[in-house]
Amino acid sequence: QVHLVESGGGVVQPGRSLRLSCAASGFPLSSYVMYWVRQAPGEGLEWVAVISRDGGDEYYGGSVKGRFTISRDNSKDTLYLQMTSLRADDTAVYYCARDLGTSSFQIDCWGQGTLVTVSS
Amino acid sequence: QSALTQPASVSGSPGQSITISCTGTSSDIGGYNYVSWYQQQPGKAPKLIIYDVSDRPSGVSNRFSGSKSGNTASLTISGLQTEDEADYYCSSYTGSGTLGVFGGGTKLTVL
Repeated sequence: QVHLVESGGGVVQPGRSLRLSCAASGFPLSSYVMYWVRQAPGEGLEWVAVISRDGGDEYYGGSVKGRFTISRDNSKDTLYLQMTSLRADDTAVYYCARDLGTSSFQIDCWGQGTLVTVSS
Repeated sequence: QSALTQPASVSGSPGQSITISCTGTSSDIGGYNYVSWYQQQPGKAPKLIIYDVSDRPSGVSNRFSGSKSGNTASLTISGLQTEDEADYYCSSYTGSGTLGVFGGGTKLTVL
């Protein structure tokens, strides 16, 4: 059964860093483009970052570019999101998500999400 | 990239049909057939209900259907059920080298 489990969320002070992890099971991570999507409290969904199957290409949303880094370790079936210089408006549930298979920003599998709260 | 435009809320009675619109531009919805729709129940992760404009994943009820005309995509839910009450989001591909774009979400109330 396909499964994504995020971890690493929590409360962090503004300006600090945090790394999220996403463990994949039930499928070979190396076969899929992967995403991070976030949702601020009471708000809609926002694409955060995307990474190619081999990790060679990555793209970011404007609000996180230069502060966040997406990466993957296919040998460990794990996706990461390194977040630095965190701001209050980064507070959100962060979802790890799998591409449908056509590299088209269509998600067929979501993790349960991990909450990141940026507050002093 | 600006968000796709969805109505903030729609409502309907059990058994009725409703349609949620999702308006973009020729750079997203109008330019590609990679429109997807997601259902999100409170406190849960989103669930894919439509992909490639009008295809349904295995296990999704055929009461859900999708379409597109020009720069506007639509999700229709027929035979409304109380369990359909949720938030619905559209999303579109915007080309290689950029991220996709979501709609702002529509809250469906089944009266």
